[in-house]
Amino acid sequence: ETGVTQSPTHLIKTRGQQVTLRCSSQSGHNTVSWYQQALGQGPQFIFQYYREEENGRGNFPPRFSGLQFPNYSSELNVNALELDDSALYLCASSPRGGEEKLFFGSGTQLSVL
Amino acid sequence: DQQVKQNSPSLSVQEGRISILNCDYTNSMFDYFLWYKKYPAEGPTFLISISSIKDKNEDGRFTVFLNKSAKHLSLHIVPSQPGDSAVYFCAACGGSNYKLTFGKGTLLTVNP
Repeated sequence: ETGVTQSPTHLIKTRGQQVTLRCSSQSGHNTVSWYQQALGQGPQFIFQYYREEENGRGNFPPRFSGLQFPNYSSELNVNALELDDSALYLCASSPRGGEEKLFFGSGTQLSVL
Repeated sequence: DQQVKQNSPSLSVQEGRISILNCDYTNSMFDYFLWYKKYPAEGPTFLISISSIKDKNEDGRFTVFLNKSAKHLSLHIVPSQPGDSAVYFCAACGGSNYKLTFGKGTLLTVNP
């Protein structure tokens, strides 16, 4: 059984650029959530996708957007990067009906200079 | 406004002793609580959970206690092992919203 995989593991961007982060969900899981973990903080909910549609969003501006594909993989896109976007971005998948027990990937460490 | 609070950034215990990690919450809508463990360079892994209809849940060396009136939960690890050294996150969700709200985490160090 393949777990949640994220790519890339590390990324360096400059302010104003755009970035796309990718996530493959665990086999059998059709719900994907994205979290941002800033240094010294707990993960903060960005949004969740179920059956290719956004199914809940946290307190993040519209420049944070996402997609879920028919194979349940997902992308997180961030436009007009700001220095405060520097963080660990975590993708988590779950089977419908068990959303609370999320299975996390190892994350993408994004640095914005 | 921090709805889930872990007031101890770190905790150090001796191998074989009990580790107690604490968590407080403010949102009365929360009805399901989870603990996650995170090693460096890895994502958080689910450890144990508890529904608000219970006040205790046990899984091997790990026990979670919930005090709804005090809006407080705790994770007990006994006996503690060096491999338990990690950051522990308390998380909560409630109603039909499956979004998890996390605390800032507590770094547990178990000394041999």
